[in-house]
Amino acid sequence: AQTVTQSQPEMSVQEAETVTLSCTYDTSESDYYLFWYKQPPSRQMILVIRQEAYKQQNATENRFSVNFQKAAKSFSLKISDSQLGDAAMYFCAYGNKLVFGAGTILRVKS
Amino acid sequence: DTGVSQNPRHKITKRGQNVTFRCDPISEHNRLYWYRQTLGQGPEFLTYFQNEAQLEKSRLLSDRFSAERPKGSFSTLEIQRTEQGDSAMYLCASSLALGEASGNTIYFGEGSWLTVV
Repeated sequence: AQTVTQSQPEMSVQEAETVTLSCTYDTSESDYYLFWYKQPPSRQMILVIRQEAYKQQNATENRFSVNFQKAAKSFSLKISDSQLGDAAMYFCAYGNKLVFGAGTILRVKS
Repeated sequence: DTGVSQNPRHKITKRGQNVTFRCDPISEHNRLYWYRQTLGQGPEFLTYFQNEAQLEKSRLLSDRFSAERPKGSFSTLEIQRTEQGDSAMYLCASSLALGEASGNTIYFGEGSWLTVV
């Protein structure tokens, strides 16, 4: 069974700075998808970014980018120029039916 | 497109009662998913439908839980004889089904909070 591990329960970042959230996963499959979702206090889960495992190029969406290391089964999220609105719980997720990690609370300091 | 809609948003019920949650997916989305999320944890997959067919059920879905999607549109999740351990947020989500390898983006509703007292 696939598992997803987020080892940072909580992270803080100063506004306008950069922060990286870690995620590792375990799978025996070779082709799969990975996702980062954001869950603000309003609780609706929002997709931040996705990565296809067969693509070597790291996905980027505006201020959000990933560092995908397939051999290491690592999938970290980098948030550049952090904004107050980035404060939320961030979940790393694997696969088509989504296996989630436990999440990382991101706090943004002004 | 109004997104994934869930109701009721909050439900308080006494232990032993039955509750039902409804989910209306994004139109044209033929896949519909149910997840359960407890405080401080990531969502856990419960079940999913493709059109009206329930294709997979997690071991978390005990026999007190039943999900239906009778016409391939909205879905209901019923919990019978509720227990305090059922207290959680129940998330519904939907996606297109473009094939197993497509990595369809899954869109979530705002969830239905259940408190069993």
